[in-house]
Amino acid sequence: RKEVEQDPGPFNVPEGATVAFNCTYSNSASQSFFWYRQDCRKEPKLLMSVYSSGNEDGRFTAQLNRASQYISLLIRDSKLSDSATYLCVARSNSGYALNFGKGTSLLVTP
Amino acid sequence: EADIYQTPRYLVIGTGKKITLECSQTMGHDKMYWYQQDPGMELHLIHYSYGVNSTEKGDLSSESTVSRIRTEHFPLTLESARPSHTSQYLCASSVNYNEQFFGPGTRLTVL
Repeated sequence: RKEVEQDPGPFNVPEGATVAFNCTYSNSASQSFFWYRQDCRKEPKLLMSVYSSGNEDGRFTAQLNRASQYISLLIRDSKLSDSATYLCVARSNSGYALNFGKGTSLLVTP
Repeated sequence: EADIYQTPRYLVIGTGKKITLECSQTMGHDKMYWYQQDPGMELHLIHYSYGVNSTEKGDLSSESTVSRIRTEHFPLTLESARPSHTSQYLCASSVNYNEQFFGPGTRLTVL
């Protein structure tokens, strides 16, 4: 079973829409969680960390549900520039490795 | 903007050749990583270093080797390239075990 699982999409949404992605993680010892963004044929870049209490950064909101072992990312007022693949990432405190999901593809259309 | 560089960006090479993928960072990060990513697939950690003269193998078995003689430099070597090595190789560095900064990647094609 993969450590981190995501719906690959693609999610096609119009500009201005709200879109939400979920991902699940299998290792209950995972302590740190992140969302990375990867543009086509580019390197991943950190979008935001995910805190237990949930956190918001502008139009982006991340939530963590430890009981169900899932993480979510909500994007409000989608922009064309939000089109990318969003990678869900988990790390256990006992390990150095970041476990990446395959990513969820988002396409925002005019 | 992260200062981590990889060369070459693209490499097409024949089977059996020895290749070295270069990775350098100017941020003074102790920790450096090599990931392999196939199209549409997740990143897999193949090598990791937590400082000079330390290297560890990652979760994905790889025939490549790495060295860490200087903090800023973490090259990856394939002694004899094969078509199965065709992939994108991403180098990353970090201060702690959380946020990692990635280089632009090397797209390797072995014919």
